Amino acid sequence: AQSVTQLGSHVSVSEGALVLLRCNYSSSVPPYLFWYVQYPNQGLQLLLKYTTGATLVKGINGFEAEFKKSETSFHLTKPSAHMSDAAEYFCAVGDYGNNRLAFGKGNQVVVIP
Amino acid sequence: DTAVSQTPKYLVTQMGNDKSIKCEQNLGHDTMYWYKQDSKKFLKIMFSYNNKELIINETVPNRFSPKSPDKAHLNLHINSLELGDSAVYFCASSITRVSGANVLTFGAGSRLTVL
Repeated sequence: AQSVTQLGSHVSVSEGALVLLRCNYSSSVPPYLFWYVQYPNQGLQLLLKYTTGATLVKGINGFEAEFKKSETSFHLTKPSAHMSDAAEYFCAVGDYGNNRLAFGKGNQVVVIP
Repeated sequence: DTAVSQTPKYLVTQMGNDKSIKCEQNLGHDTMYWYKQDSKKFLKIMFSYNNKELIINETVPNRFSPKSPDKAHLNLHINSLELGDSAVYFCASSITRVSGANVLTFGAGSRLTVL
């Protein structure tokens, strides 16, 4: 079964500093990988996804993530944090033939002025 | 127009009651889902329907019964509510192009509190 590990439920970052959220996955077949963001009292929105092709994926709001098969990782980064980046971030994995997405436990990002 | 809309947004009720949450999507998607988000923000799939047909039914108590009258609607009925049912329930939808790679569009959630 697929699974996702996101370490550190709360992540504090200074405004203007690098945002790095780690995601490691487990999947028996080539995975499809996603990052979703949840702002307070809202549903989840897609930030970016990897299905096939280029392993460095760019998403909305300046975020990007790199698929590293050898490390089974899909870490999310943003060079410079903005106050509006304060939210919950979820990594998720899906695989072909299985309509389920397995979500990680999420990272609550706090941006310090 | 809201793409995936859920009602009600908040629901407070007593143990033992029966309640329903409704979901509608206007995106033309053919697959709809219910996810449960617990107090620790952990998201877990409950059900999925494709063109009104149940395709995913996770290990959920049979007090929970989804109904899809058409592919734009997926409702969730819960009987005999228990304290542990308190959570945020998210409806989502997707186009089923490539299974597993579908991008989900989520509703804003329905916060259920059981007293």
